[in-house]
Amino acid sequence: AQSVAQPEDQVNVAEGNPLTVKCTYSVSGNPYLFWYVQYPNRGLQFLLKYITGDNLVKGSYGFEAEFNKSQTSFHLKKPSALVSDSALYFCAVHSGGGADGLTFGKGTHLIIQP
Amino acid sequence: AAGVIQSPRHLIKEKRETATLKCYPIPRHDTVYWYQQGPGQDPQFLISFYEKMQSDKGSIPDRFSAQQFSDYHSELNMSSLELGDSALYFCASSRLERGGPVRRDTQYFGPGTRLTVL
Repeated sequence: AQSVAQPEDQVNVAEGNPLTVKCTYSVSGNPYLFWYVQYPNRGLQFLLKYITGDNLVKGSYGFEAEFNKSQTSFHLKKPSALVSDSALYFCAVHSGGGADGLTFGKGTHLIIQP
Repeated sequence: AAGVIQSPRHLIKEKRETATLKCYPIPRHDTVYWYQQGPGQDPQFLISFYEKMQSDKGSIPDRFSAQQFSDYHSELNMSSLELGDSALYFCASSRLERGGPVRRDTQYFGPGTRLTVL
């Protein structure tokens, strides 16, 4: 079985500072990892994914994520936070088999303070 | 760019009633997924379809059924509704993207249907 853990329910960052939202995973086989963002009463927006290749993945809105196989982590990062980045962030894993559903973490509320 | 369309956006039903949710995938996407997100919860995978055939099944109750039609749209049918079925229901779509023997598609989500059961 696959699982994802987001150890922080909430992360607070001052505007302009770098941000990190943590994610660790557990899968058998190769991991296919995703980050999505959800704004209040909205759907999930795709940010980025890791399939294979470079460990640093660049995505939308200036976000990037670093895949670390030895630590089984896929932390989301941004060099300079914006107030508009405040939202709920989900890390997800896919088995890479058929049209399998994603397994999501519990989500992390990111709050950017002006 | 075209996105996933879901209808209705809001639905209010009484206990024991039935509900049908519709999903129209992004053009040229061949796979549809359904998820349920309870209040304050992460999305839970229900079921998926690839080329009109059921592909994967998650935690979908027996009271729920779904299908994908020839135009690739999908419908989620929910019967004998319970209070606990109140949730946000998301549809996502993807296009088959193979990397060797496995799929590596990105799932794109619709805005969701908020179902309230009274």
